[in-house]
Amino acid sequence: EPEVTQTPSHQVTQMGQEVILRCVPISNHLYFYWYRQILGQKVEFLVSFYNNEISEKSEIFDDQFSVERPDGSNFTLKIRSTKLEDSAMYFCASRKLREIEAFFGQGTRLTVV
Amino acid sequence: SQQGEEDPQALSIQEGENATMNCSYKTSINNLQWYRQNSGRGLVHLILIRSNEREKHSGRLRVTLDTSKKSSSLLITASRAADTASYFCATDGAAGNKLTFGGGTRVLVKP
Repeated sequence: EPEVTQTPSHQVTQMGQEVILRCVPISNHLYFYWYRQILGQKVEFLVSFYNNEISEKSEIFDDQFSVERPDGSNFTLKIRSTKLEDSAMYFCASRKLREIEAFFGQGTRLTVV
Repeated sequence: SQQGEEDPQALSIQEGENATMNCSYKTSINNLQWYRQNSGRGLVHLILIRSNEREKHSGRLRVTLDTSKKSSSLLITASRAADTASYFCATDGAAGNKLTFGGGTRVLVKP
C-alpha cells in the first residue's frame, strides 16, 4: 500500500543550525502538508502546498521556515537557525486533488539542543 | 478560529468494554475526521464524516456528528489492547484544506 515516507526518523541538531526534513508524498497526490506536534500538545498545521506554491500557511510558519519540492518526488521543510522551541515531531501529509483524506507519514522527531 | 477539543483527555478501560470520546469545535466545518496515533508514531486515518451526515460506521468504530451542537463522538466497541493509543478529531473548514486537530484522548485498554 502506498505511504508517505519521511526521513530521518529522528534528527538532533544544535541551536542555530539549519535542518532539512524530507518527505516523499504518495505519488499521485497533489496536495502536500507539514504539521508539527510539540511533545504532549496538539498537532498544529504549518503549511499546505499545491501546484508548486504555498496555498496556506499558519502564524507559526514564519520566515524561519520554507518548503520546497525540488523534484517530482520530494517535499522538504527547511528550518533555519533552529531554536529550542522548534523541538517537536514534524509530520508530512499528502492527499489527492479531489479527496478529503490526508495520509500522514510517520514523522521526524526533531530535537534541538 | 475553529478548534477541536476532545474529552475526556484520558480514558482507561478493560478489554471488551466500549470506549467513547467526544470532540467539540467552534466554527462551521465541511468534514470531521478521526485519527489514531500510537505512542511516538504517525497519524492513522480512521474515519471521516461529512457535515451532512449524522452517523457513520466502520468495523468496530461508530462516529456521530451533531452540527447544531458542533460536536462529534467516536465509539470503539469491544475494545482490544491494540486499541491503546491517542485519538484525535480533526476538522476542516470552508476552505477544505488544512486540518485543525483537537488535543486528543489517550485511551488505555487493559488486557
